[in-house]
Amino acid sequence: GAVVSQHPSWVICKSGTSVKIECRSLDFQATTMFWYRQFPKQSLMLMATSNEGSKATYEQGVEKDKFLINHASLTLSTLTVTSAHPEDSSFYICSARDLNREPQHFGDGTRLSIL
Amino acid sequence: DAKTTQPNSMESNEEEPVHLPCNHSTISGTDYIHWYRQLPSQGPEYVIHGLTSNVNNRMASLAIAEDRKSSTLILHRATLRDAAVYYCILRDRAGNQFYFGTGTSLTVIP
Repeated sequence: GAVVSQHPSWVICKSGTSVKIECRSLDFQATTMFWYRQFPKQSLMLMATSNEGSKATYEQGVEKDKFLINHASLTLSTLTVTSAHPEDSSFYICSARDLNREPQHFGDGTRLSIL
Repeated sequence: DAKTTQPNSMESNEEEPVHLPCNHSTISGTDYIHWYRQLPSQGPEYVIHGLTSNVNNRMASLAIAEDRKSSTLILHRATLRDAAVYYCILRDRAGNQFYFGTGTSLTVIP
């Protein structure tokens, strides 16, 4: 069964809306979670590394004020796309890893469509 | 992180073995070789990983070259459900981030 759960699985909203996506590790504690974005027919692009109890580390070119990440507990990380615009429409995927164990598990993704 | 190179696409007939190659000539001694696959509209799914020795699990086998500069994922009997994009990724044992390459899109022909 799924060990990393994402919610919602899809969302459609108007331009200017802020959207929150949740990522939960179901049966293990994840001090670190990861957020990816994937455009159609492209590979996954790492956006940021989410660390429990501290600030996220963003990859080069990813706006931290646009993509707010909160990792308040060992089983939950959230990604908030603030003031979303059509160009933010994408497939957002999170992943998590039980400390020092393999494999890293991925959620089933969230399809975000901004009208 | 060291880079991997994979063919963009491959085809296989159903119920035949499939060998998916991956080149990683700049691999370091502490890099593990991971394989994930992604079905349409889903997150990546773990397939297998290894360091130096060949590895087998219920899904696939991983053959690692002696110099570790290349590896091959082997699906012993391809099924239609194996049609996916397969990613070969290197990661240091101490590291966490996965940086995905372009992967190989596998088509299974009935």
